[in-house]
Amino acid sequence: DADVTQTPRNRITKTGKRIMLECSQTKGHDRMYWYRQDPGLGLRLIYYSFDVKDINKGEISDGYSVSRQAQAKFSLSLESAIPNQTALYFCATSDLATDDQETQYFGPGTRLLVL
Amino acid sequence: AQKITQTQPGMFVQEKEAVTLDCTYDTSDPSYGLFWYKQPSSGEMIFLIYQGSYDQQNATEGRYSLNFQKARKSANLVISASQLGDSAMYFCAMDAGNNRKLIWGLGTSLAVNP
Repeated sequence: DADVTQTPRNRITKTGKRIMLECSQTKGHDRMYWYRQDPGLGLRLIYYSFDVKDINKGEISDGYSVSRQAQAKFSLSLESAIPNQTALYFCATSDLATDDQETQYFGPGTRLLVL
Repeated sequence: AQKITQTQPGMFVQEKEAVTLDCTYDTSDPSYGLFWYKQPSSGEMIFLIYQGSYDQQNATEGRYSLNFQKARKSANLVISASQLGDSAMYFCAMDAGNNRKLIWGLGTSLAVNP
């Protein structure tokens, strides 16, 4: 089984709808991240969480919110989806204390299309 | 400011040959790490190799090696004996600073020709 899972893998929604992307991990890592990837723009950090009680904005948090329900779960919400939120979304995890380096392990990604 | 630069948007290589993908970085932190990830057309992000700023030797992982030149602030990925399955996007990233979040380059697209 995959260590980092994301649901759904693909999603089509309409402008104005609220949607949630979910991420679960079995790696036991404390740190979790949400990124979006757009062609030509690389990976951009939306939110990150270093433990259950810690939530931090990344470089492009507007229009998004997150919830860290447990060490293993980190969900991303689009409160009112808009077309320019169409992108590939990745969840990632890391554990600096264990690895002594910030190696991030990624989920398979969620392809989101907002019409 | 911390930054990762990948100057090659696209690269071609013949199967079985070696290829170097360039990455330069900028940071004022004395302690940092450099990473390479592979993203095939299927979309997943795969960790390839890591180099710490204090590591004395260049990192190697199978056919991947990292040519780390600290004075030049470069961390090029070398893929030896290219295979068709190496065709993918390759991203260079750096962790530095107190929070040690990753800073990403824009990627290089590698095509391996048969």
